[in-house]
Amino acid sequence: GAGVSQSPRYKVAKRGQDVALRCDPISGHVSLFWYQQALGQGPEFLTYFQNEAQLDKSGLPSDRFFAERPEGSVSTLKIQRTQQEDSAVYLCASSSPGQEWAGELFFGEGSRLTVL
Amino acid sequence: DQQVKQNSPSLSVQEGRISILNCDYTNSMFDYFLWYKKYPAEGPTFLISISSIKDKNEDGRFTVFLNKSAKHLSLHIVPSQPGDSAVYFCAANSGYALNFGKGTSLLVTP
Repeated sequence: GAGVSQSPRYKVAKRGQDVALRCDPISGHVSLFWYQQALGQGPEFLTYFQNEAQLDKSGLPSDRFFAERPEGSVSTLKIQRTQQEDSAVYLCASSSPGQEWAGELFFGEGSRLTVL
Repeated sequence: DQQVKQNSPSLSVQEGRISILNCDYTNSMFDYFLWYKKYPAEGPTFLISISSIKDKNEDGRFTVFLNKSAKHLSLHIVPSQPGDSAVYFCAANSGYALNFGKGTSLLVTP
């Protein structure tokens, strides 16, 4: 497809389970971002990749969160030992070279995680 | 510590009238300010941006105004249409990471 694709769209996990969320960015987009959006809040930055390099992971809430982009295209956000406070929509976004400085990002539809 | 604030959770406007969405920020180092629009069950989509060195940017029915001395920006939609009903997020960046406000839900009624 032409846009950013995320899967699964919805995930229900029991507390303590591990989850993996996948993002397929727009072809050719060098930059990839993960954001977390809690209910009633705006998206919050988690991490940033340029190609396969993770240049910033300062927004990851804890060491239970891990992201990778091994071949510079598809990215996976992994959450280990999920907690109820991890319940949120996880948004992936990508941008093409030269545009990231202006802040124009192309977002996927998000993966809604509910931890019971 | 919220650096971008949208103090109005919701706004209702009649079709054809002007919609004005407001946003305040605290960090004077922001380079760009952006507005994103979000429909339910979809990701945010970019609407319009403005550089910190400008005070106005216009794109069709959408105009963004920036008042740096007041650390305030606003989005004007004229005329408003029912399809504009969505949540609008104000965002700002000083690099690659965007800082978002909590959003304002706009309802345009026929």
